[in-house]
Amino acid sequence: QITLKESGPALVKPTQTLTLTCTFSGFSLSTSGVAVGWVRQPPGKALEWLALSYWDDDKRYSPSLRSRLNITKDTSKNQVVLTMTNMDPVDTATYYCVHRQAAAVWFDPWGQGTLVTVSS
Amino acid sequence: SYVLTQPPSVSVAPGKTARITCGGDNIGSISVHWYQQKAGQAPVLVIYRDTDRPSGIPERFSGSSSGGTATLSISRVEAGDEADYYCQVWDSSNDYVFGTGTKVTVL
Repeated sequence: QITLKESGPALVKPTQTLTLTCTFSGFSLSTSGVAVGWVRQPPGKALEWLALSYWDDDKRYSPSLRSRLNITKDTSKNQVVLTMTNMDPVDTATYYCVHRQAAAVWFDPWGQGTLVTVSS
Repeated sequence: SYVLTQPPSVSVAPGKTARITCGGDNIGSISVHWYQQKAGQAPVLVIYRDTDRPSGIPERFSGSSSGGTATLSISRVEAGDEADYYCQVWDSSNDYVFGTGTKVTVL
């Protein structure tokens, strides 16, 4: 059974850097084709893909947020970390960790999500 | 950027069929995937590769794609199907793109 769980601060101040950790189980990020990434959802709004870390060390980012994002993985710890710089109130959202299986271009399953509020 | 357009809302009576559309340029040539998100919960994959159902998803959920529109159909709608539904594609230029979302209300 694959599970993912997000952790990180619930509140960050404007201009600060957000660091979120996804800890997963039930699979290995060293398995060919597998990826783990992040999707966010502002309150009452649609889903937005942010970034993906692949088994082969490749990384992909949303074109609109590329300059602010960095995703890293620690295969030995079964963790993926997302950092987002220069946080703004519009970045207030629930951030989900997602699993992408080999040869897939969809996400399944998702973590429970963590709400991050950006406010001074 | 690639845009996927969904109707904001769809209302359906219990026992009837709900149809949720997802429109985008040349969407008929790429695979579309669908997620269900109930209030306060994380999204759940209900359809992948246009028509395939993950294990555990009822047969009442089905998908189709033709021309510039993909459609998620929910037959014999139940109160428990009330949720937001999102389509999603992978595009070589924009990577992963989600639709605008549709709120399904069961009357």
